[in-house]
Amino acid sequence: DIVMTQSPDSLAVSLGERATINCKSSQSVLYSSNNKNYLAWYQQKPGQPPKLLIYWASTRESGVPDRFSGSGSGTDFTLTISSLQAEDVAVYYCQQYYTTPFTFGPGTKVDIK
Amino acid sequence: QVQLVQSGSELKKPGASVKVSCKASGYTFTNYALNWVRQAPGQGLEWMGWINTNTGNPTYAQGFTGRFVFSLDTSVSTAYLQISSLKAEDTAVYYCARGGPLGTANPGYYYMDVWGKGTTVTVSS
Repeated sequence: DIVMTQSPDSLAVSLGERATINCKSSQSVLYSSNNKNYLAWYQQKPGQPPKLLIYWASTRESGVPDRFSGSGSGTDFTLTISSLQAEDVAVYYCQQYYTTPFTFGPGTKVDIK
Repeated sequence: QVQLVQSGSELKKPGASVKVSCKASGYTFTNYALNWVRQAPGQGLEWMGWINTNTGNPTYAQGFTGRFVFSLDTSVSTAYLQISSLKAEDTAVYYCARGGPLGTANPGYYYMDVWGKGTTVTVSS
């Protein structure tokens, strides 16, 4: 199975400041035939289902604010919130869909400092 | 709009069975894969598997074979998760989530773009 790790476990950022979450996969999730990274990011607020933010590592889902961006390739990925807003308080998960079983990172909790 | 509506919370005794439903609307149900994801209390997300809504063929993650069954009723655009011989450790929120378009080369290998609100299953004597 591909093991997904995330860092940090949690972070507190001031409103308007940048938040950066890292995700690492135990093997590459880059599919060479189409040059796509099979990596998604989800946001989960308390009592709510996960919400898709980013797919193919860097494509923003429709309706997601442009302060959210994804980057990286192969085994190392980053989710950046460029200017943290109060409504961004949540747990963020990365997930690989390169091979089954699809696996999620343990989550990173983002809070306001 | 595209949505997945799940059935309500369940309280079951150990050894009983439960069937969770997930009704799709706003898109052609049989054109997309359907995933199931578990979240134990205070824990992260765990992918249980997916079902091809066109063929009915299920794929189960290790740890979700035997007692867990994915099924469909395409006439009402609904997927089901049945869990038998319930144990206390099955207590969790179960989500259905839309996967990729079927008919592509690897339809199951896709992100999950639409999620149900989740069904809480509590197993307690």
